[in-house]
Amino acid sequence: GIQVEQSPPDLILQEGANSTLRCNFSDSVNNLQWFHQNPWGQLINLFYIPSGTKQNGRLSATTVATERYSLLYISSSQTTDSGVYFCAVADDYKLSFGAGTTVTVRA
Amino acid sequence: GAVVSQHPSRVICKSGTSVKIECRSLDFQATTMFWYRQFPKQSLMLMATSNEGSKATYEQGVEKDKFLINHASLTLSTLTVTSAHPEDSSFYICSARQPYGYTFGSGTRLTVV
Repeated sequence: GIQVEQSPPDLILQEGANSTLRCNFSDSVNNLQWFHQNPWGQLINLFYIPSGTKQNGRLSATTVATERYSLLYISSSQTTDSGVYFCAVADDYKLSFGAGTTVTVRA
Repeated sequence: GAVVSQHPSRVICKSGTSVKIECRSLDFQATTMFWYRQFPKQSLMLMATSNEGSKATYEQGVEKDKFLINHASLTLSTLTVTSAHPEDSSFYICSARQPYGYTFGSGTRLTVV
């Protein structure tokens, strides 16, 4: 199956700071999503982005499919941004998750 | 948007008993659904693929006799953890594929005592 690597594993931010999370994957994909897992375990879909660039408020994402990586940008971070961010990819129909980045935003 | 409803959200059961978790697609038909398990501080691992009207496909290392999956209709898949033991305590979450990504249920936190 596809290997998914996320970095960094942990990220501590001061409120208002910007950050970049990275996702590398080992093969061509037809699906790539970024999720935020809240404290109750719910996976919140942030972006469906197998290629290209998207923005949603303070969040944006870019996937360079030919180079097999994706980036998630968080700008002007807020304490509510804390949680685990997962990158997940699929080359057929099985979605494989990275290990996640745990983000802690301090007030 | 597409919604996947999962119940119960939390369950505590005694060791040796069985627990059923339901996953429903509310506004679409799902011929295929996926079941994941997540241990604390870890990522989500695919357990099995549930296919409507046919047998589920299990990932390597997942005991099909312990984790029974039934996909009897286009809107309902169930996961039954049989003869549960404390090591089965985990977070279980289902998913369905959509044209633009996968949608997840809210998950079930199982504690076996």
